[in-house]
Amino acid sequence: GAVVSQHPSRVICKSGTSVKIECRSLDFQATTMFWYRQFPKKSLMLMATSNEGSKATYEQGVEKDKFLINHASLTLSTLTVTSAHPEDSSFYICSARPRSNQPQHFGDGTRLSIL
Amino acid sequence: DAKTTQPPSMDCAEGRAANLPCNHSTISGNEYVYWYRQIHSQGPQYIIHGLKNNETNEMASLIITEDRKSSTLILPHATLRDTAVYYCIVSSSANQAGTALIFGKGTTLSVSS
Repeated sequence: GAVVSQHPSRVICKSGTSVKIECRSLDFQATTMFWYRQFPKKSLMLMATSNEGSKATYEQGVEKDKFLINHASLTLSTLTVTSAHPEDSSFYICSARPRSNQPQHFGDGTRLSIL
Repeated sequence: DAKTTQPPSMDCAEGRAANLPCNHSTISGNEYVYWYRQIHSQGPQYIIHGLKNNETNEMASLIITEDRKSSTLILPHATLRDTAVYYCIVSSSANQAGTALIFGKGTTLSVSS
């Protein structure tokens, strides 16, 4: 079945550091990928839609200069949290779908902790 | 996309069927019903989806009412590993690869022995 892989699964870093999270579609190509954020005991919140070869589309309230998204190939999207602060600590999850008539598949998430 | 309403929590005994309801009274004709679940500290896992007919796969069954305003996810023999948050999502994304799924609060299913 379709597999979406995220790396790293967990990262702990100091405040002010920039952190890059990778999302890969392992056995299919994805022109579109999605990035979500989830705070403890809350549901997933859509942050942005990543489009291969073009700019990402951000949801209202998400700072595009803070959460940089790059989708340079059909199998890889990256989310970079720039100058991370403790309030950016969260569970970040990506998703993609193989084809329009198939469901979306999610990565296992990246737990980001900013000290 | 239409909104969904789910009970915040449900309990189920191991080995029994778990029936998780979902109301989606504003669903439109081209919107599918998707079910995902999320086990603690993992990404959501796809379970099943349907348009208007009942669906069954190796994980679960999906029963959609004739008017499509509600549905029920059935886990026929719940196990402890089925303890998770279950999300019912309505979306027209079946035919649009670029449409994200929007998550509600879901139902926390607790399976106990």
